[in-house]
Order: sequence, then C-alpha cells, then structure tokens
Amino acid sequence: KQEVTQIPAALSVPEGENLVLNCSFTDSAIYNLQWFRQDPGKGLTSLLLIQSSQREQTSGRLNASLDKSSGRSTLYIAASQPGDSATYLCTSGTYKYIFGTGTRLKVLA
Amino acid sequence: EAGVAQSPRYKIIEKRQSVAFWCNPISGHATLYWYQQILGQGPKLLIQFQNNGVVDDSQLPKDRFSAERLKGVDSTLKIQPAKLEDSAVYLCASSLVAGGDTEAFFGQGTRLTVV
Repeated sequence: KQEVTQIPAALSVPEGENLVLNCSFTDSAIYNLQWFRQDPGKGLTSLLLIQSSQREQTSGRLNASLDKSSGRSTLYIAASQPGDSATYLCTSGTYKYIFGTGTRLKVLA
Repeated sequence: EAGVAQSPRYKIIEKRQSVAFWCNPISGHATLYWYQQILGQGPKLLIQFQNNGVVDDSQLPKDRFSAERLKGVDSTLKIQPAKLEDSAVYLCASSLVAGGDTEAFFGQGTRLTVV
C-alpha cells in the first residue's frame, strides 16, 4: 500500500529565501510524481509533473526532482515571495493518485 | 481547455439529511476521481471511475455514500444520511487514463458543512 509523507508539515520563512520541500513514498513502482498547490478554500492547482522516465522538471522559480530508487521527490522554490504562501501537496501516480498531508508554507513580506 | 467543473461550491446541511455533488470532467478524460479532504489533511480517494465503470471504491463508506458516472462523462456523489464527520471538501479530478504518465486535473471542490 502506497504511503506518501511530506516534510516539513509547516514552514514560515522571510521573503527571498530559497526553499526545499520534501516528499517520500513507500512504493517506487510509480508512473509519475505530481506537485500541487492549494490555496485556502480552493482546489488543487498542478505545478509540475515528473514522468517516470524523467528525473526533474522546471517551471519558472520551481524545480522538482524525482529519485524513484530512494522513493523521494524534492520541490525547490527559488527566491520565495508572499504569493507563494499556500499548501503544497505531492502525489504519486500509479493507477490512482495517493496524496501526502502537505506542507503549509507561509512567506513573510 | 475548460477545466474540471464542480457544483455547488458550498453546501450546509443538517445531520441525517442527504446531499449530492456534481462533477463535469475535462472533455475526453476517461478517468474520474472523487476525493474527500478533511481540514488539515491531504485528499483521500473515495472512488475512481474508468469511463462509467468503477475501478476502486475501497475507501468509500458504502453504507451512506454512493456515486455514479452516467455515460462515462458527468458524475454525481451522494451522501445519505450525512454525519458530522462528513464535513470536508469534496474534490473531483480527471485524467486521460488511469495509470501511465498522465496528469491529474482538479476542480475547485465543494465545501460541505454538516451541522
């Protein structure tokens, strides 16, 4: 049974810092790893999708890496901004998507 | 490309009442998912459809929850009767297929409050 863990559970940083969010999963037989952002009271917005044949994906200030053998993915946020404040969720994709509990990020102006 | 549509956005009901949520996935997406997200937790899969067939409903409380996907497109999730612990956000998602390197897309969710 796939289990997904995200560390840290919460993070509060001053604006401009570079951040690392961690996601680990127990079953390495995944098709992909997807990172989402969730604002309070809203749905999930897809940030990055790392397919099984890839090791990383980049979008603007975001970079996500995937190491299937160790069961880990990392989301790197460069030069954080107050608008980055949200909950970040990762999900491992097999035939269904299993989520972690998320990292609640607060970037202070 | 239109996204996943859900309605209503908010619903407040009394315990023991019934409620239904509606989801319209992205056109052409064969797989549809319903998730329950309790405050402070990650989304939990309730049921997964492939076209109009159920792939996984292992975590669906079948004594009170039901779901259907007519003609392999729109889907409804029903709760009858509702309990206080059903208060949560119900998220619908869709993907081209189940499994494989496909991306999941989520709707805005329906926030249910049971009082």
